[in-house]
Amino acid sequence: EVQLLESGGGLVQPGGSLRLSCAASGFRSSNYAMNWVRQAPGKGLEWVSTISGSEGGPFYADSVKGRFTISRDNSNNTLYLQMNSLRAEDTAIYYCTKAVTALWGTIHYWGQGTLVTVSS
Amino acid sequence: NFLLTQPHSVSESPGKTVTISCSRSSGNIASHYVQWFQQRPGSAPTTVIYEDNLRPSGVPDRFSGSIDGSSNSASLTISGLKPEDEADYYCQSYDSLNPVVFGGGTQLTVL
Repeated sequence: EVQLLESGGGLVQPGGSLRLSCAASGFRSSNYAMNWVRQAPGKGLEWVSTISGSEGGPFYADSVKGRFTISRDNSNNTLYLQMNSLRAEDTAIYYCTKAVTALWGTIHYWGQGTLVTVSS
Repeated sequence: NFLLTQPHSVSESPGKTVTISCSRSSGNIASHYVQWFQQRPGSAPTTVIYEDNLRPSGVPDRFSGSIDGSSNSASLTISGLKPEDEADYYCQSYDSLNPVVFGGGTQLTVL
């Protein structure tokens, strides 16, 4: 059974940093494209970043480019999102998602999300 | 960048059929898979349709997806509406420069 378990969210001051983790189980995450998607309070879904399971990328939304870094550790089947220079508008629930294949572009499974609050 | 446009809200009665549209502003809708997600209040999204018309295991066959090249749009159809179908629904697609693009979401009310 595919499972995605996010962790690492919390309260951080503007300008601070946070690293989110997504522990994958039931599949080998290195063989699939993976994404981070966020949802601000009361708003719709917003794509943040994608790491491919084959060629290309990583990719970032313009709103986070230069501040966020996506990576993965294949040895422990975990996806990461390093978030620096955080702003109030980064406040959101962050979801880890798995694509259908190694190619980016689809979303098949979602995690339960982790809440990031940027506030002084 | 292209846009995916959905109606803000739709409503229908239990037992009826509802269709939610997703219009692509540029690029061929048929050239890039469309996914649909359901998000109930207070819960994470779940996938109800992937690759245009495929259902993940556990999703009832009351949910179906289709593509219309003539209108460059995708549709999610839910038949035999149940109260538990009340949720927000999002479409999603991509292109060679944009790995993930979401529609704005549609709030479905089951009256």
